[in-house]
Amino acid sequence: GIQVEQSPPDLILQEGANSTLRCNFSDSVNNLQWFHQNPWGQLINLFYIPSGTKQNGRLSATTVATERYSLLYISSSQTTDSGVYFCAHNNAGNMLTFGGGTRLMVKP
Amino acid sequence: DAGVIQSPRHEVTEMGQEVTLRCKPISGHDYLFWYRQTMMRGLELLIYFNNNVPIDDSGMPEDRFSAKMPNASFSTLKIQPSEPRDSAVYFCASSFGNTQYFGPGTRLTVL
Repeated sequence: GIQVEQSPPDLILQEGANSTLRCNFSDSVNNLQWFHQNPWGQLINLFYIPSGTKQNGRLSATTVATERYSLLYISSSQTTDSGVYFCAHNNAGNMLTFGGGTRLMVKP
Repeated sequence: DAGVIQSPRHEVTEMGQEVTLRCKPISGHDYLFWYRQTMMRGLELLIYFNNNVPIDDSGMPEDRFSAKMPNASFSTLKIQPSEPRDSAVYFCASSFGNTQYFGPGTRLTVL
């Protein structure tokens, strides 16, 4: 199956800083999602983004399916952004394959 | 909507015991998924249902694991007998379309 690789594995930011998280795929993907797992373990869907760019507040995501990657931008980071960010791609039948995640810590 | 509901939130049991995890999907969603999260293996899909019918159970680790969805508002994941290596957080998710919504998870510890 398609392999999903995320980078960096860990990231520490000062509050207010911007960051870019990357997700690479071993093959072309039809669609892709980004999730945030907060420190309490809750998984929240951030974006469904098979291609193009979407923005939601301080977060935006861009997927270039033909080049097999997706990026998640966090601007003006806040301590509440801390947690683990996962990208995942949908196989046929809505089956999600997750990357290993990027663990983000935002310091006050 | 209350979102995806899972119970119990925490379960501690002894090796060999039967464990049943429960999930209530979001009303109107036609897909239901069971995932397991561990430090070693990350998030893995175990099984998923479409309109209450199991579609793919290739992620179920072994015969000790079974899942059912008797109706559109309820699903169970059963482990019998449980083993220490089953310790993990088990998530249920549901969807209608492409976006999956996750429950809070059940943290299972098998001693």
